[in-house]
Amino acid sequence: GNSVTQMEGPVTLSEEAFLTINCTYTATGYPSLFWYVQYPGEGLQLLLKATKADDKGSNKGFEATYRKETTSFHLEKGSVQVSDSAVYFCALSDAGSNYKLTFGKGTLLTVNP
Amino acid sequence: DADVTQTPRNRITKTGKRIMLECSQTKGHDRMYWYRQDPGLGLRLIYYSFDVKDINKGEISDGYSVSRQAQAKFSLSLESAIPNQTALYFCATSDRDRGGTEAFFGQGTRLTVV
Repeated sequence: GNSVTQMEGPVTLSEEAFLTINCTYTATGYPSLFWYVQYPGEGLQLLLKATKADDKGSNKGFEATYRKETTSFHLEKGSVQVSDSAVYFCALSDAGSNYKLTFGKGTLLTVNP
Repeated sequence: DADVTQTPRNRITKTGKRIMLECSQTKGHDRMYWYRQDPGLGLRLIYYSFDVKDINKGEISDGYSVSRQAQAKFSLSLESAIPNQTALYFCATSDRDRGGTEAFFGQGTRLTVV
């Protein structure tokens, strides 16, 4: 079955630091890959996505590249802000799972001023 | 108004009680889902529905039931609540089956079973 493994947190950074959150996946088909973000007290919202190999998803200064050869979709941001403090979830969906989402366990990011 | 609305937002209930969590959506999506979030475990799928007549168990359906009353409404019931069902519950919707489909989440219901 499908699975997503992402780096365990919590991650604590200072403002303007570089962020990487690692995500690798196992899927039977050719999945679409997603990063969702959950701000405190809120539901999840889509941050970015990529639907095929070598695609780069980007949004709000975050980016991730779909690497089929390493089955990875690492999230990066060059300069984090306090407002980026949230829980980040890597996820995938594919035709084999009827496009249901499979989530990683989430990574809590705290950015200090 | 939110596209996906969950009620109640917070609930404390006693062990053995029946409780229903409700979800309604204005996205016009066919697909609706119930997830449970626990610290360190991420989101786990409880039940999902691809249309009004199609309801399926997810990975952790024991102790839960659902009802899809209409395309826009999907409720989750705990027939006899137990303390390890204390969690944050999310409803979500998505469009029909195609790659890259985004899911839209409600704000969650925090349930405490005492």
